[in-house]
Amino acid sequence: RKEVEQDPGPFNVPEGATVAFNCTYSNSASQSFFWYRQDCRKEPKLLMSVYSSGNEDGRFTAQLNRASQYISLLIRDSKLSDSATYLCVVTFGGGSYIPTFGRGTSLIVHP
Amino acid sequence: GAGVSQSPSNKVTEKGKDVELRCDPISGHTALYWYRQSLGQGLEFLIYFQGNSAPDKSGLPSDRFSAERTGGSVSTLTIQRTQQEDSAVYLCASSADTLQPQHFGDGTRLSIL
Repeated sequence: RKEVEQDPGPFNVPEGATVAFNCTYSNSASQSFFWYRQDCRKEPKLLMSVYSSGNEDGRFTAQLNRASQYISLLIRDSKLSDSATYLCVVTFGGGSYIPTFGRGTSLIVHP
Repeated sequence: GAGVSQSPSNKVTEKGKDVELRCDPISGHTALYWYRQSLGQGLEFLIYFQGNSAPDKSGLPSDRFSAERTGGSVSTLTIQRTQQEDSAVYLCASSADTLQPQHFGDGTRLSIL
């Protein structure tokens, strides 16, 4: 049973490109949503929360579509340093408040 | 401020030995989680503590694994009679409450020989 699904990639893009990832979730009672990035052999680090109205942080934009049950992450003007694995996290309601991580989407930004 | 602290950073031990991993969460965080991650794999949920409630142990892979959280703060994850398949990075995270983002420690890299 896959509650949070992501395209594993890798997404291979040139510097300066715009790239978008989606993450679908199965439980309509989901209550909180986040994007994390994880560098090779490092711990996940919070990138941004995802709000119902959508939110932006510099080159990063996150959106939530509750009707279709997915969240998205858009990265504009990609940098080499954006190369990482991007994990979406969904916390389901209904009694079990354990955040569920997707398997991650690998992004490689090349010169 | 201080983040989540885990110790040891690395642990190498022989098959069959017991190991104890420690996690010191961010002060004031009521929720604490343990995960493990094998090379190239996603995060595998192990156990979750929230305040004084009974922990959710639904992710523990076998009865060789146990965890406790003393005084609502420090947590220890114990693996008894380690097996080679236990080799992984064990990550601890804490959050202010269940709907807030988690903050991860650097992890403990466990290698079973």
